[in-house]
This record gives sequence, structure tokens and C-alpha cells, in this order.
Amino acid sequence: NAGVTQTPKFRVLKTGQSMTLLCAQDMNHEYMYWYRQDPGMGLRLIHYSVGEGTTAKGEVPDGYNVSRLKKQNFLLGLESAAPSQTSVYFCASSLLSLVAEAFFGQGTRLTVV
Amino acid sequence: QQQVKQSPQSLIVQKGGISIINCAYENTAFDYFPWYQQFPGKGPALLIAIRPDVSEKKEGRFTISFNKSAKQFSLHIMDSQPGDSATYFCAAIDLGSGTYKYIFGTGTRLKVLA
Repeated sequence: NAGVTQTPKFRVLKTGQSMTLLCAQDMNHEYMYWYRQDPGMGLRLIHYSVGEGTTAKGEVPDGYNVSRLKKQNFLLGLESAAPSQTSVYFCASSLLSLVAEAFFGQGTRLTVV
Repeated sequence: QQQVKQSPQSLIVQKGGISIINCAYENTAFDYFPWYQQFPGKGPALLIAIRPDVSEKKEGRFTISFNKSAKQFSLHIMDSQPGDSATYFCAAIDLGSGTYKYIFGTGTRLKVLA
């Protein structure tokens, strides 16, 4: 059981370049999230999805776009990368239940130079 | 806007000691309070969680204490071990909102000395 898989694990981008981070989950979870983790800032929600075909903004959505065309996949896009987007990105998913446990991927370390 | 405030930012404890991490929240609609544990190079993983209808929950050496009137909750790690060295995040969720957005604290880096 793979759980939540993020691709790629590491990436270096030049300012202005674009890229897409892929998150895939095999647990049939309704909810999916993208967080960024920065020192002293904790985990901040970028965008989230409550189901296939739906997306919504989180705390820090500027500079990012997302899509959820299939229930198992949640894509995070950076159209024009900036050094301020250097961070570790985590995808998570959860089931619609009162337990509400979020399962996280291993993270993607992105550096924008 | 930090809806969940966590302290301390870092903590050093001797092996066998008690580690205490505190969190405070503002939104009274929050109704589920999990703690996540993160080891270096890994994603966070659920450690223990509590609902506001109970004041304490214990799982092994880990205990959550919850004070609804003060809007505070804390994680206690009894008999701390070097293997507990990790970053701990508290979180809060408003299950009734239907969005299941996890709002995390800023994290506490715990180091347990052997």
C-alpha cells in the first residue's frame, strides 16, 4: 500500500520557470491538500480539494494553481517560480470521517534560484 | 493570521524526562485537535488526537490535555526517549465546516538527550 506519493522528491528551478508537482493517493480519499513547510512557519495550506473536480484556496494560494481531474491525483503548479517559493511541499489526503486523519507524502524539496 | 499558536519553538529534554508542548487556538468552531510527529526527511504522521468533549487522552507515553475554556491544549511525553526526537505539530480542524482544513501550529523541534 503506497499511501500518498509525491513526484518529484527534489527539484531546482530558475526564477521564472514553471513546474508541476504531482500527488497521487491510493486510499480513495475524498480530501486532498497541498502544504508548504518553512522554518518557523509550520505547515501552511496552499490549496485543497474536497472532491474530484473541486479546488479551493488555502492560507497562501498566491503564485500557485491546482487541479484535481481524477480523485486520486492532485497537481500543484507554479507558473512563474520565484525565490520566495523555495520550500518543502507536502501533499496530504484524508477520508470523510470523524477520525479525520491526514496522511502525508514524503515531501518535495524545491529550490528556486 | 496564525489561528493556532504553538510553543516552545524548540525543546531539549534529558532521557526519561517529561516533554511538554503547548498550543492555543482562537476559533471556537474547532472541534478536533490532532498532534502530528515528523522525523527528518519524512512527512508528518498522526500521533494522537482529542475532541473537546474530553479533558485528557492518553496513549502510551503520550497524553493530550485539553482546556476548552482557556482554548488551550498540550502534549505531554512521559519518560522521553531519544527516539522521540522529532518535530511536533499541533493542529485544529472545524469538522462541521465540511472542508476538513487542518490548521497547523508552527511546530516544536524536540531533542531528547541520551
